[in-house]
Amino acid sequence: DQQVKQNSPSLSVQEGRISILNCDYTNSMFDYFLWYKKYPAEGPTFLISISSIKDKNEDGRFTVFLNKSAKHLSLHIVPSQPGDSAVYFCAASGSHGSSNTGKLIFGQGTTLQVKP
Amino acid sequence: EAQVTQNPRYLITVTGKKLTVTCSQNMNHEYMSWYRQDPGLGLRQIYYSMNVEVTDKGDVPEGYKVSRKEKRNFPLILESPSPNQTSLYFCASSLRPKKDTEAFFGQGTRLTVV
Repeated sequence: DQQVKQNSPSLSVQEGRISILNCDYTNSMFDYFLWYKKYPAEGPTFLISISSIKDKNEDGRFTVFLNKSAKHLSLHIVPSQPGDSAVYFCAASGSHGSSNTGKLIFGQGTTLQVKP
Repeated sequence: EAQVTQNPRYLITVTGKKLTVTCSQNMNHEYMSWYRQDPGLGLRQIYYSMNVEVTDKGDVPEGYKVSRKEKRNFPLILESPSPNQTSLYFCASSLRPKKDTEAFFGQGTRLTVV
């Protein structure tokens, strides 16, 4: 069963507009969330993260929002640029009943295309 | 330059022929892990290592082995590869095995087993 879900396989937005990527999780033991960005033929790279004690974290054009009651997080990119076109993975971490706290549970990924 | 290096990048092999994918990091990280990426499933952890000589199974360990004899290296071994192990593999390392530590990923190894 998929504990972290990204229900939109793809998203297309116009340059300059806002991109909103969504992620849902089922395990209430998750208490740290990360977004990774992946270009073709490269490994994922860390983008931004948020702890469950916060509901928002901002870094430049990227903002992550966390709604714990809904078990939902979203990544906002404003303004979107063509160089943002990539696959975005949501990941969750935490105790989740294990001592393997370095483990990341990933969503399926969302492919973002930003059109010039 | 801080990095995680995997080799080879691409590999086509036949069923049953043992292979090793190497992974090396130059950041003195304690925690290393292997993931596989499959369509519609995201990345799933295969094995992880908390430190030298400490390894354990992740979510999908069947058919794989690992070793951690040195801090910087964490090879993934497929003793008898099968077609269902055709996948994109990523090695990752983190400074410490903590939830709030970002992971650094290698560039990936695309493995095809025929």
